[in-house]
Amino acid sequence: DAGVIQSPRHEVTEMGQEVTLRCKPISGHDYLFWYRQTMMRGLELLIYFNNNVPIDDSGMPEDRFSAKMPNASFSTLKIQPSEPRDSAVYFCASSLVVGTGAWDQPQHFGDGTRLSIL
Amino acid sequence: SQQGEEDPQALSIQEGENATMNCSYKTSINNLQWYRQNSGRGLVHLILIRSNEREKHSGRLRVTLDTSKKSSSLLITASRAADTASYFCATGVTGGSYIPTFGRGTSLIVHP
Repeated sequence: DAGVIQSPRHEVTEMGQEVTLRCKPISGHDYLFWYRQTMMRGLELLIYFNNNVPIDDSGMPEDRFSAKMPNASFSTLKIQPSEPRDSAVYFCASSLVVGTGAWDQPQHFGDGTRLSIL
Repeated sequence: SQQGEEDPQALSIQEGENATMNCSYKTSINNLQWYRQNSGRGLVHLILIRSNEREKHSGRLRVTLDTSKKSSSLLITASRAADTASYFCATGVTGGSYIPTFGRGTSLIVHP
C-alpha cells in the first residue's frame, strides 16, 4: 500500500503569494493531521480531521492558514498571503481510528513539503 | 501540555556503541510511542509501549517505561551509521480526543 503522499516536495515563492500544499492519506485511515516543523519550535500540530471533519484547529497560527478535506483521499493546507516566517517543513500524517479510547495507533507521515517564502 | 520531552538534544557516538535517549512527560499516560526521522523524510513509527508494560524489544531497539518517574528510554544497541536520525517520543492519554504531540527530538549521529 502506498504511504501518505504530499505535494509538492519543495515550494519556493515570494511573500504575499498564495501557497497550497496537498496530501493524500493512506486509504482507510480515519484521521488526518497537518504538522509544521522548524528548528525553533520543533514539530507543531496545526489541525487534524476525523472522517473529513476538522476536529481541532487550535494549532493554526493565524487566519492566513486554512485547511480542507473535501473527501477521504485528499486534503489541502493553504496559506494566503504567505510570509517569510511561514518557511518550514509541513507534514501530513494519517492514522486509523482510536481503538481503546486512547491514542494507540501509529501516525504515518508523508515526506513533507519544504516551503521557503522569500 | 502533555508533550513528550526528549533528552539529550544531541548525541554523537561511534558505530557499534549503544545509544540511549530519554523521554519525560507530565501526566498519566495510556501508552508511549517512539518515532524516527531521517534527514529530509517524515517520521516513522518504531515502537509502542503501554502503561502496564515495563520493557519492550524490537530488533536492536529496547524501550523501557517507568510510570512512577514519568519517563521512558530508548536504547539502540550496536548502533550503525544508518541509525543516524532524530528520535521523538509521543504519549497517548486515555480520554479519546487527546492527540499525542511531539517534542524537539534527540538528534543521533553515528560515526562509521
